[in-house]
Amino acid sequence: GAGVSQSPSNKVTEKGKDVELRCDPISGHTALYWYRQSLGQGLEFLIYFQGNSAPDKSGLPSDRFSAERTGGSVSTLTIQRTQQEDSAVYLCASSLALGYSPLHFGNGTRLTVT
Amino acid sequence: GESVGLHLPTLSVQEGDNSIINCAYSNSASDYFIWYKQESGKGPQFIIDIRSNMDKRQGQRVTVLLNKTVKHLSLQIAATQPGDSAVYFCAEKNRSGGGADGLTFGKGTHLIIQP
Repeated sequence: GAGVSQSPSNKVTEKGKDVELRCDPISGHTALYWYRQSLGQGLEFLIYFQGNSAPDKSGLPSDRFSAERTGGSVSTLTIQRTQQEDSAVYLCASSLALGYSPLHFGNGTRLTVT
Repeated sequence: GESVGLHLPTLSVQEGDNSIINCAYSNSASDYFIWYKQESGKGPQFIIDIRSNMDKRQGQRVTVLLNKTVKHLSLQIAATQPGDSAVYFCAEKNRSGGGADGLTFGKGTHLIIQP
């Protein structure tokens, strides 16, 4: 079946530009997560959506980062006025949000800020 | 704060041998653990999970062992193959929830399979 889909797979942008990253979760998954992964590093939590609840934004590194989830499905992560330190792979995951269900990840968007 | 950590950043094994990847955790409130495999250029792929009411769980060529007494988690891969070369992450979930839905990921162990 279809997994988590992210687009674009690669994005190169100039410093100061805004970017939008898209995530299509697995159908029926009510929980959606965004993580960031720098080269050779672990996963850095950014934001978590669960159903109609207010999202957990505790991981967003600055107010240049925001995310939306429309209709409980597709999510967009927006980074405004990109900086070089924003360069990383941005990973989206979804889950059934039951207490003991694993996250399923997409292949990420590799963002390079020049 | 409490965190998930890995004992070895790199593990090299001969093809056909068994490999064991270890993970230590310190949060006694964690009751769900997950192992992921990440190949170059791809997202983490779910391998196997285990709840804290179990000590052992087996999948295809993989076994996860949980020792709650010493807060230790391990992933055993039997008869390793070249395709097993990847970074392996463990994750724990805090039943009390909290930030990131109570999930914490380790930094990963790079498993290298030598021919």
